[in-house]
Amino acid sequence: DQQVKQNSPSLSVQEGRISILNCDYTNSMFDYFLWYKKYPAEGPTFLISISSIKDKNEDGRFTVFLNKSAKHLSLHIVPSQPGDSAVYFCAATLHGSARQLTFGSGTQLTVLP
Amino acid sequence: DTAVSQTPKYLVTQMGNDKSIKCEQNLGHDTMYWYKQDSKKFLKIMFSYNNKELIINETVPNRFSPKSPDKAHLNLHINSLELGDSAVYFCASSQNVRLAGADRRETQYFGPGTRLLVL
Repeated sequence: DQQVKQNSPSLSVQEGRISILNCDYTNSMFDYFLWYKKYPAEGPTFLISISSIKDKNEDGRFTVFLNKSAKHLSLHIVPSQPGDSAVYFCAATLHGSARQLTFGSGTQLTVLP
Repeated sequence: DTAVSQTPKYLVTQMGNDKSIKCEQNLGHDTMYWYKQDSKKFLKIMFSYNNKELIINETVPNRFSPKSPDKAHLNLHINSLELGDSAVYFCASSQNVRLAGADRRETQYFGPGTRLLVL
């Protein structure tokens, strides 16, 4: 039962363009969402998060959008850089269980020079 | 000055053996975790300890036993290893941050992973 889904296993984008990574969830009790980035042979590193009381959070080149009615969030990276090439994981937590992350399966982003 | 470290990085062993993976964090965090990344690349939580006390214990075979000698260390011992235990195991830590009202948000910091292969 995958409560957090990343349906695109891979995405290729030209350097300088926008990268859009998508994530869907099924549990309406999720109220906090996070994006992690993972390079090969390293652990995931926190990128950006959003609370369900917001619909947008921005940090530099990274913006996360949350559509609660559609149970959908997306991560926008603009402009994309070759160093952004990594696996991006979407994760969610339930209200009152801030420690219990439920992860998606990840999307491999490749930014082409 | 690695924040969350794991040893060993790679572990190849025979079925039936007992092995341990160690994790240490120097961030001063109160909570530590073990995750398993399976062949489908999902990261699934196995255990969590807060101040040496078990707080999350997902459906994991009792061949897996976490041990937290102090809040900076969380080790994972696996008995009678099986082929299906082959995976990447990640340790993580976090610090409780109390926000306005009852909201608490904790960013988890991950170690580099231990790649376990059971033959």
